[in-house]
Amino acid sequence: GAVVSQHPSRVICKSGTSVKIECRSLDFQATTMFWYRQFPKQSLMLMATSNEGSKATYEQGVEKDKFLINHASLTLSTLTVTSAHPEDSSFYICSVRGPNLPGELFFGEGSRLTVL
Amino acid sequence: AQRVTQPEKLLSVFKGAPVELKCNYSYSGSPELFWYVQYSRQRLQLLLRHISRESIKGFTADLNKGETSFHLKKPFAQEEDSAMYYCALSSPAGNMLTFGGGTRLMVKP
Repeated sequence: GAVVSQHPSRVICKSGTSVKIECRSLDFQATTMFWYRQFPKQSLMLMATSNEGSKATYEQGVEKDKFLINHASLTLSTLTVTSAHPEDSSFYICSVRGPNLPGELFFGEGSRLTVL
Repeated sequence: AQRVTQPEKLLSVFKGAPVELKCNYSYSGSPELFWYVQYSRQRLQLLLRHISRESIKGFTADLNKGETSFHLKKPFAQEEDSAMYYCALSSPAGNMLTFGGGTRLMVKP
């Protein structure tokens, strides 16, 4: 399988500031990474697909200027929540498509963002 | 459009009782179906995939194309099975994974 690491696991910030979350694929090169958002007691909502060396593909309803995604290398994708507001408080999870089977994803441990 | 529905948000059973977590899907084609599990304070992980037709931790799931269902079953639930379970669907190309709303399974002693 693939090992995926996210950092930070928890972050608290003031309203109006920007927060960057990193997602690393530790043991294999990932051309595609996915960013999900999970609200309390709800399912995962795909926010965007991060493609190495090109622009991310955002799902309908996700503001690309609000959630900046950069996939600069085959092992790192970053999600930056710009001008954060309390409603952006959530659990953000990245995942990497496994090297073997279509649809098999390996997930990071998630990053809990709290905006005061 | 692909869609996954898990009708039960919470399923509570006693240890040793059979368990069935329901999953229905909507997809115009031949989907790949998966069950993912999230134990308390752990990351989401793959439990099983329909193409493998395998049993993992005593769980099995059969794809029923006629009923567009992929229910997860276990004959005798254990307390350590308590977790959130997500049914997920992918196109054969695996371009996108769509998750159901999740079912929280609680196995009581």
